[in-house]
Amino acid sequence: QSVLTQPPSASGTPGQKVTISCSGSTSNIGNNYVSWYQQVPGTAPKLLVFRNDQRPSGVPDRFSGSKSGTSAFLAISGLRPEDEADFYCAACDENLTGVLFGGGTKLTVL
Amino acid sequence: EVQLVESGGGLVQPGGSLRLSCAASGFTFSSYWMHWVRQAPGKGLVWVSRITPDGTTTHSADSVKGRFVVSRDNAQNRLFLNMYSLTTDDTAVYYCARGTSIIADPPFDPWGQGTLVIVSS
Repeated sequence: QSVLTQPPSASGTPGQKVTISCSGSTSNIGNNYVSWYQQVPGTAPKLLVFRNDQRPSGVPDRFSGSKSGTSAFLAISGLRPEDEADFYCAACDENLTGVLFGGGTKLTVL
Repeated sequence: EVQLVESGGGLVQPGGSLRLSCAASGFTFSSYWMHWVRQAPGKGLVWVSRITPDGTTTHSADSVKGRFVVSRDNAQNRLFLNMYSLTTDDTAVYYCARGTSIIADPPFDPWGQGTLVIVSS
């Protein structure tokens, strides 16, 4: 059971918008930056969003991050078949040494 | 191109030891925090250890504390993870990942391709 809670699955059709949530607490998401990672099965994770809502160069603007209180969100608009992957949120926690990851959300593009 | 390449994974018996290596290129290795993250088969990502840019301070997850030791050789642009007293719960793909040059926190970018460690008799 992860401290950062994500829905295990999400789905959408091509062109749709999907939002994945990451729920935590004041000590982690509430008071720290959140980053998001995409992992296509069999490959290494890739950074999608950092500092809650910043995109690294090369990441399409279809991917956007946001944070409200103790929850963070990753929105994917204009869904494409190649977006099918596992998505993870991550944040530090003031009461722990190290980094927390969410349990991951498997996105299916129908 | 910024690149991380892990090596050293393999099959090891319970109670055994293994040393993972991560070769870095394309950036000033000595300026960045470095991390190890693992992923058990079919499971999610779990942070393992981190080390400061100068290698003087390390932190590890409670699950590996006292058994895993992270180190680095900035002259050789290499990160290491020495793993001792391995158990079947340590079976996972181990990724090295670059952190930031300023703080211990994420983000992690990039990640290596991973190296598989299987602990089994």
